[in-house]
Amino acid sequence: EAQVTQNPRYLITVTGKKLTVTCSQNMNHEYMSWYRQDPGLGLRQIYYSMNVEVTDKGDVPEGYKVSRKEKRNFPLILESPSPNQTSLYFCASTSGSHPYEQYFGPGTRLTVT
Amino acid sequence: GQSLEQPSEVTAVEGAIVQINCTYQTSGFYGLSWYQQHDGGAPTFLSYNALDGLEETGRFSSFLSRSDSYGYLLLQELQMKDSASYFCAVTNYGQNFVFGPGTRLSVLP
Repeated sequence: EAQVTQNPRYLITVTGKKLTVTCSQNMNHEYMSWYRQDPGLGLRQIYYSMNVEVTDKGDVPEGYKVSRKEKRNFPLILESPSPNQTSLYFCASTSGSHPYEQYFGPGTRLTVT
Repeated sequence: GQSLEQPSEVTAVEGAIVQINCTYQTSGFYGLSWYQQHDGGAPTFLSYNALDGLEETGRFSSFLSRSDSYGYLLLQELQMKDSASYFCAVTNYGQNFVFGPGTRLSVLP
């Protein structure tokens, strides 16, 4: 089954404790993105990647890091989480042949206390 | 700055037609997409317009006017399962996407 997977699905952590949210896709898609979703603000892009070892900032990159060492994986790293990073996070992937059609993972609900 | 505007809520009855508008102001523009998101779920792709005009996909149609920086999603023969949030999104450049705040559609019996 073609899919984007994220882990963990739920996470409660404390301020300053480094964490990684993993994202993996099995569709051989070239492009991948991370979003956060907050009530009333829609989805805001954090980072995106157009190829292995190629990443670019989205609209809200502060406090986040990403890496793309393999085509299928695109982890999101919060080195020192803060309460304002409490949010619902989505990973998405897109094929080069349909670069506007994003496939989203199930989401990760993160709470930072 | 970059912004997209959509109505926050729309209500309609089963079988009706509803139009959700989206106006945008972005630094670049490749196209306008629409996504549906049910409560507790992930966004799913509905349609995309790169050029002016109407694109039809079953009960859903999407329209774009680049000169007016405006688009809309048209949902026909509404069903209860269409109750969800709908987001427009501009492909700004490369893989940079800017999403609108979303429109919550409630379909009443």
